[in-house]
Amino acid sequence: DAGVTQSPTHLIKTRGQQVTLRCSPKSGHDTVSWYQQALGQGPQFIFQYYEEEERQRGNFPDRFSGHQFPNYSSELNVNALLLGDSALYLCASSSLGLNEQFFGPGTRLTVL
Amino acid sequence: AQSVTQLGSHVSVSEGALVLLRCNYSSSVPPYLFWYVQYPNQGLQLLLKYTSAATLVKGINGFEAEFKKSETSFHLTKPSAHMSDAAEYFCAVSKDQGGSEKLVFGKGTKLTVNP
Repeated sequence: DAGVTQSPTHLIKTRGQQVTLRCSPKSGHDTVSWYQQALGQGPQFIFQYYEEEERQRGNFPDRFSGHQFPNYSSELNVNALLLGDSALYLCASSSLGLNEQFFGPGTRLTVL
Repeated sequence: AQSVTQLGSHVSVSEGALVLLRCNYSSSVPPYLFWYVQYPNQGLQLLLKYTSAATLVKGINGFEAEFKKSETSFHLTKPSAHMSDAAEYFCAVSKDQGGSEKLVFGKGTKLTVNP
């Protein structure tokens, strides 16, 4: 079992650009959640996808959007990047209500 | 609303000493509580979780935590620290024991283990 995988591992962008991060859930999982972890902080919930729909959303602006595909993989898109968007972006997968969330290794985004 | 406060952003112990990492929670509904560990440049790994079945929860790597409702606490302990325990530890609260609800994390406690 490959577990939760994320790509790319690292990414450098400049202010105003757009970025797409990708996540493949653990085998058998149908729910994907995204978290942002700024340096020295705990992860903060961005949103959760289930059955290709956004099921819950945290306190993040509309610049943050996502998508879930029929194979349960997911993308996180961030438009009009700001310096403050620099963070580790974590993806977590689960089966709705059945077990805990399993986290991937994250994508480190640096905005210059 | 739910929240978690971790007391002490940095904790330093000697190898073989007791590890105690503190976590207090706030929740308007019965909480489900979690401890995660994060090693450098890695994602989060679940150490243990409280799901109301038992107040003393045993996890991986010799860690355990006790849920105390009267103190709204869920402190993490390990009797004897090992060098490999050096990492950052996060306490989290949720409305659900599974993957249905978001996790609300504390700011983390970085554990240093001295030889």
